[in-house]
Amino acid sequence: TQLLEQSPQFLSIQEGENLTVYCNSSSVFSSLQWYRQEPGEGPVLLVTVVTGGEVKKLKRLTFQFGDARKDSSLHITAAQPGDTGLYLCAGDRFAGGTSYGKLTFGQGTILTVHP
Amino acid sequence: GAGVSQSPSNKVTEKGKDVELRCDPISGHTALYWYRQSLGQGLEFLIYFQGNSAPDKSGLPSDRFSAERTGGSVSTLTIQRTQQEDSAVYLCASSRPRRLGTSGLSYNEQFFGPGTRLTVL
Repeated sequence: TQLLEQSPQFLSIQEGENLTVYCNSSSVFSSLQWYRQEPGEGPVLLVTVVTGGEVKKLKRLTFQFGDARKDSSLHITAAQPGDTGLYLCAGDRFAGGTSYGKLTFGQGTILTVHP
Repeated sequence: GAGVSQSPSNKVTEKGKDVELRCDPISGHTALYWYRQSLGQGLEFLIYFQGNSAPDKSGLPSDRFSAERTGGSVSTLTIQRTQQEDSAVYLCASSRPRRLGTSGLSYNEQFFGPGTRLTVL
């Protein structure tokens, strides 16, 4: 079984603070995807990282894929109340030359940013 | 453009009744997935359809759960003889392969519907 351990489970911070969410596994993944989910809605894809050591930036969000493709992190700079939500990491693996698509999800990090 | 839609948005049923949940994927997406999410938790994979291939049913928790995908588009998840532990949000996602990075490999990025909240009394 391929498991993704996400930490911390809960994060409550003040506006303007920085934070990092971690996603770790003992298994190698072909890609790591990060999603953000708001109450009553489905997860929304933020980014996909596919290369070991890859760093992607999305405005104040920085995503990193570990060199061994077993872990990933999400760093948010100067958090804002609009960043509040459930953040999920998900790993994918390949069958042939195409991703299998059967994602393994972490348990999620509930982020609350207070004004 | 139209995203993934699911119906109903909420379903309350009595223990022992059957329920059907519907998913309309994004037009042109060849893959369709069903997941289950308990309150504030990550997603649990249920079943995966890819084109005309046999579905991957490895995540279905019991034989009370089944799913169909008709005409390669709309999918229905059926839960027979519902139990209280079936209460959860059921999420559907669709995807199509997209090339990322420099390897030439294709990745399935999934787009989710809003989910159906199922409550079994």
